[in-house]
Amino acid sequence: GAGVSQSPSNKVTEKGKDVELRCDPISGHTALYWYRQSLGQGLEFLIYFQGNSAPDKSGLPSDRFSAERTGGSVSTLTIQRTQQEDSAVYLCASSPVLTEAFFGQGTRLTVV
Amino acid sequence: AQTVTQSQPEMSVQEAETVTLSCTYDTSENNYYLFWYKQPPSRQMILVIRQEAYKQQNATENRFSVNFQKAAKSFSLKISDSQLGDTAMYFCAFMRFNNDMRFGAGTRLTVKP
Repeated sequence: GAGVSQSPSNKVTEKGKDVELRCDPISGHTALYWYRQSLGQGLEFLIYFQGNSAPDKSGLPSDRFSAERTGGSVSTLTIQRTQQEDSAVYLCASSPVLTEAFFGQGTRLTVV
Repeated sequence: AQTVTQSQPEMSVQEAETVTLSCTYDTSENNYYLFWYKQPPSRQMILVIRQEAYKQQNATENRFSVNFQKAAKSFSLKISDSQLGDTAMYFCAFMRFNNDMRFGAGTRLTVKP
């Protein structure tokens, strides 16, 4: 595709359920990032993948959060046992080597 | 970890005037990249301008320019001839040489008619 694609665009889930958020990066981009953005706030770093290197998971807020990137392409962010404080927009971005990151439209997650 | 600080949570400017958004960062590295992104209400992140740390010349893109002070670790964005469409959140970002990218907390800019 022409850009970074995220799905779903909106997700409403019940507290305690697990959710999976998907990111399709731009083909050939080696770096992939996940950020979380609460309403009106900045971008909170979650996790970063670069090529075949071990991902930088230092931003994941708890062990309920995990992410994987299969085949160096598609990435899935999983949140287990969702809590209301997980409600936010989750943004994915990808980047070729040493240039700007290109963002998807984000997934708005609402935990009720 | 690298830190990026935007000290102005909100700013406003009259249409056609000039406004400067501040950004400072902390790093021990010599080679890196800096960016300003714009996020309008549509939520889509849009690159405004980029600066390579090894370049001394300040980057310029039409009405947008930066003042990059490497020794002071400062990277401010100047918007000239502000337009209503410039109303958005603006984020400063730092990218390490391994592509690791971190953002500041953002500045909400409102352009008033």
